[in-house]
Amino acid sequence: EAHLVESGGDLVQPGGSLRLSCAVSGFTFSDHYMDWVRQAPGKGLEWVGRTKNKDEGYATEFAASVKGRFTISRDESKNSLYLQMNSLRTEDTAVYFCARGRGGAYSDFDNWGQGTLVTVSS
Amino acid sequence: DIQMTQSPSTLSASVGDRVTITCRASQNINSRLAWYQQKPGKAPKVLIYKASSLESGVPSRFSGSASGTEFTLTISGLQPDDFATYYCQQCHKYPLTFGGGTKVEIK
Repeated sequence: EAHLVESGGDLVQPGGSLRLSCAVSGFTFSDHYMDWVRQAPGKGLEWVGRTKNKDEGYATEFAASVKGRFTISRDESKNSLYLQMNSLRTEDTAVYFCARGRGGAYSDFDNWGQGTLVTVSS
Repeated sequence: DIQMTQSPSTLSASVGDRVTITCRASQNINSRLAWYQQKPGKAPKVLIYKASSLESGVPSRFSGSASGTEFTLTISGLQPDDFATYYCQQCHKYPLTFGGGTKVEIK
């Protein structure tokens, strides 16, 4: 059974940086696309970005709102996914979820972590 | 970007009711659509993928259908555990986008 656990959420000042982690278990990490999705307080879901699987060279895609500020990486040896967030803005305040792509380029998200809260405020 | 227009935004219903939520895509997404259920303070959970495939373990009262760019989630016989917020999501093209959500409340 797939299991995903996020960590690293914190209070950070505008302009600051933060790295979120997502530890995964129960499946072959390198086979799957992995995504980050966020949810601002009281709002809906917003896709942040994706890292593709090993066959696709772990290529990344991002939402326009974070492109150039956020990067996604993965460490296969640690079964961990990361979201590096730079130049943070107040509008980046949200619960950040990592999610597993079911399979292939047109994957829905079949497993999610519990989320970690990022608050950007002075 | 592909816009996903979900309606209604709020729905009041009673236990046992048949409930229908609609999501319209702004362009063709080849039925690459998923439905999620989210309860307060929890992560979303997938119910339906590829527009009409039922996720393993999800009760059969949930079903999905598609007609062109219009997609429907139906709950046949609402149960107390179904009061939650539901989101559609297109998986066809970047950026991946979600509908605005439908909150199903107790009438």
